[in-house]
Amino acid sequence: GAVVSQHPSRVICKSGTSVKIECRSLDFQATTMFWYRQFPKQSLMLMATSNEGSKATYEQGVEKDKFLINHASLTLSTLTVTSAHPEDSSFYICSARRSGTKDEQFFGPGTRLTVL
Amino acid sequence: GQSLEQPSEVTAVEGAIVQINCTYQTSGFYGLSWYQQHDGGAPTFLSYNALDGLEETGRFSSFLSRSDSYGYLLLQELQMKDSASYFCAVRDGTGFQKLVFGTGTRLLVSP
Repeated sequence: GAVVSQHPSRVICKSGTSVKIECRSLDFQATTMFWYRQFPKQSLMLMATSNEGSKATYEQGVEKDKFLINHASLTLSTLTVTSAHPEDSSFYICSARRSGTKDEQFFGPGTRLTVL
Repeated sequence: GQSLEQPSEVTAVEGAIVQINCTYQTSGFYGLSWYQQHDGGAPTFLSYNALDGLEETGRFSSFLSRSDSYGYLLLQELQMKDSASYFCAVRDGTGFQKLVFGTGTRLLVSP
């Protein structure tokens, strides 16, 4: 199956710093990638849709200036959490959809962010 | 918008059969998917129903009734490794085809 990677898998940072998370589709091109956030024992909440070569589309309630998304190529999207605070601590997961009959969406392994 | 409701938790024993239900409200419908997620891991795709009826994939089957806005995931011959969270999901009607997840069901399989 298709593979999506994320880096780093785990990051701990101090409050006020910025953290960049990379998401790569390893064996297919993805013009669109999605960023989700998941708090413990909760569902995945879509944050934004990342579009190659254009601005990201943010879900209602997600601050675009805080969560900067860049989709520089067909295989790479980055999420930067700016001026992170403890409430931003969460599991961040990216995904990419590969066109086909099964409507599969492939997910990265996630990044556990802890803000102290 | 979309909303998908699932039971929060289901428990069962090894070898049993369990059904996880999903009821949804969507503006437009583009199929129902199911994903499995182990603690700390990424969601993995299990199945997809675009039309009414049952789709079988090994021990897992998924059912859809579009008229009832309802679907379920059926897990047979349960194994300990099936203990995980299960999410139903639908795509919205926008050009980006965003995947929206249900509330999730935590399945606990005991010996």
